[in-house]
Amino acid sequence: RKEVEQDPGPFNVPEGATVAFNCTYSNSASQSFFWYRQDCRKEPKLLMSVYSSGNEDGRFTAQLNRASQYISLLIRDSKLSDSATYLCVVNMGNYGQNFVFGPGTRLSVLP
Amino acid sequence: DAGVIQSPRHEVTEMGQEVTLRCKPISGHNSLFWYRQTMMRGLELLIYFNNNVPIDDSGMPEDRFSAKMPNASFSTLKIQPSEPRDSAVYFCASTPRTSYEQYFGPGTRLTVT
Repeated sequence: RKEVEQDPGPFNVPEGATVAFNCTYSNSASQSFFWYRQDCRKEPKLLMSVYSSGNEDGRFTAQLNRASQYISLLIRDSKLSDSATYLCVVNMGNYGQNFVFGPGTRLSVLP
Repeated sequence: DAGVIQSPRHEVTEMGQEVTLRCKPISGHNSLFWYRQTMMRGLELLIYFNNNVPIDDSGMPEDRFSAKMPNASFSTLKIQPSEPRDSAVYFCASTPRTSYEQYFGPGTRLTVT
């Protein structure tokens, strides 16, 4: 089993749609969680951290379920500019920083 | 504010040559990471430094790869000798002392022929 797994995608959705991505991780001791987005031929950029209580940033909502070792990202009212690859990132280090990136899910928002 | 700076942005070299990639982290950040990204394997952590000290190099593929961080504002990743399978995009990232949020540089696209 891979350490961090994501929906394979690609997701092709119309503008204005709501789309959800899922991510599972293998290490129950993992400490911190993030969503990054990566545009084609660009570097990954932090989208949001994921907190135990869940958190929202505008159209984006992230949820964490520690019991199921599951993270989700919900995008509401999707825009053309949301088209990118979304990477789930888990810090699996007990005392340090061992960031494991998922393979990413490709999203295309269509006009 | 300047972000993470990497050089060169593109490197094309022949098999067997030495390649040196450079990174300048964001000022004040105390952790620095080197990643490699390929279509087949995705984004892989190679090594990371904390306060200029290598902490975990278990991701370094083999002895041909080495990394240094002589001071807080500079790091290098060296491949000697390079091989075609080293072709990838190499990213450097840094994190501040107060969080685990990583800031990536633009990457170096390496092609080994």
